[in-house]
Amino acid sequence: DTAVSQTPKYLVTQMGNDKSIKCEQNLGHDTMYWYKQDSKKFLKIMFSYNNKELIINETVPNRFSPKSPDKAHLNLHINSLELGDSAVYFCASSPPPAAGANVLTFGAGSRLTVL
Amino acid sequence: SQQGEEDPQALSIQEGENATMNCSYKTSINNLQWYRQNSGRGLVHLILIRSNEREKHSGRLRVTLDTSKKSSSLLITASRAADTASYFCATVSSSGTYKYIFGTGTRLKVLA
Repeated sequence: DTAVSQTPKYLVTQMGNDKSIKCEQNLGHDTMYWYKQDSKKFLKIMFSYNNKELIINETVPNRFSPKSPDKAHLNLHINSLELGDSAVYFCASSPPPAAGANVLTFGAGSRLTVL
Repeated sequence: SQQGEEDPQALSIQEGENATMNCSYKTSINNLQWYRQNSGRGLVHLILIRSNEREKHSGRLRVTLDTSKKSSSLLITASRAADTASYFCATVSSSGTYKYIFGTGTRLKVLA
């Protein structure tokens, strides 16, 4: 029973297209994240939602729009895809900091290739 | 950049040897965590050390933290081929934010 699941796992598309990646967690966590891992394996926070409210937006181009319909889901929509958007996108979830020693649970990643 | 630094970037050792990787960070922290990433997979949490702790053990893992130097180390003892992976440290700010800042990672290869 997968704790954090992302779809699709692989996505190949042309420049200029619009695409979405979906994420769902069944851990009952309040907080969800999107991270981007580039070809050098650098992992950078993009967005975070706590109970459907956006709490972190890390200077990401506004072509990227996260949406959290409920606290178990966080989707990422990307408009007008560019070559530099090619990366692996990871969804993660955690209890809130007030819960104490909170750790991240990651999904398996969605590899986006823009041609 | 807020990103932490890890060294070495890559490490290759023989099975049975110990592996040590280091992490330096820039801000005051609440805790520091280590994660492992196998090739093509998501990150998996290994161990967490709080800012008021200096050392922590979990199985073959030993983590140290020096907040005065803003650095941490992860020691894997008696390494196995299955330990081959990338290892990342992540810091959680003491300001109570939800932001986990990851280091640049160390790629460990354990040769059988």
